[in-house]
Amino acid sequence: DTGVSQNPRHKITKRGQNVTFRCDPISEHNRLYWYRQTLGQGPEFLTYFQNEAQLEKSRLLSDRFSAERPKGSFSTLEIQRTEQGDSAMYLCASSWDSRNNNAEAFFGQGTRLTVV
Amino acid sequence: GIQVEQSPPDLILQEGANSTLRCNFSDSVNNLQWFHQNPWGQLINLFYIPSGTKQNGRLSATTVATERYSLLYISSSQTTDSGVYFCAVGGGKLIFGQGTELSVKP
Repeated sequence: DTGVSQNPRHKITKRGQNVTFRCDPISEHNRLYWYRQTLGQGPEFLTYFQNEAQLEKSRLLSDRFSAERPKGSFSTLEIQRTEQGDSAMYLCASSWDSRNNNAEAFFGQGTRLTVV
Repeated sequence: GIQVEQSPPDLILQEGANSTLRCNFSDSVNNLQWFHQNPWGQLINLFYIPSGTKQNGRLSATTVATERYSLLYISSSQTTDSGVYFCAVGGGKLIFGQGTELSVKP
């Protein structure tokens, strides 16, 4: 297994356009997380999936953001009508979590979004 | 929600020096991890340490869960240790601190 993979690595888009990012987690991991990181800050939680079910969404995730994990494997994060404030690094992580054990999370390389 | 505070925010060391980074958190947690963020933005796992002490080469970490803090020790620092170190806690999703930016000078 090559770890968590994110595509694209960089994305430059014009304000108002839609963008979609993809995350491929470590294959046996049942949980997949999305985070956003702006310059000088720590990553902030956006949403997570257990298998194909989206179990929690942060208040940071406005109506313009949508995430899916249709078959419990890869996930996509779409941002509609992008704004300059959406410029950030978007990070994906995965882990194997059971009810009584919150296991170590592993992160992908991130997708750096620039909205111009 | 859980608050995570890291100190110091910035640290400048001479190569070969030792350092201690601290992470305080406001509630009991099931998971605590230390990461090093490389210049390209990827978070590299250093330790998964909800409690106890672990060592990996020149790095070691201790978490005292009952007192809600964790320490990351870097010994004989090298220029390649430079970067931002994050502590993250949680029970599933992770809450990150603001990081400690370490600069090791040759």
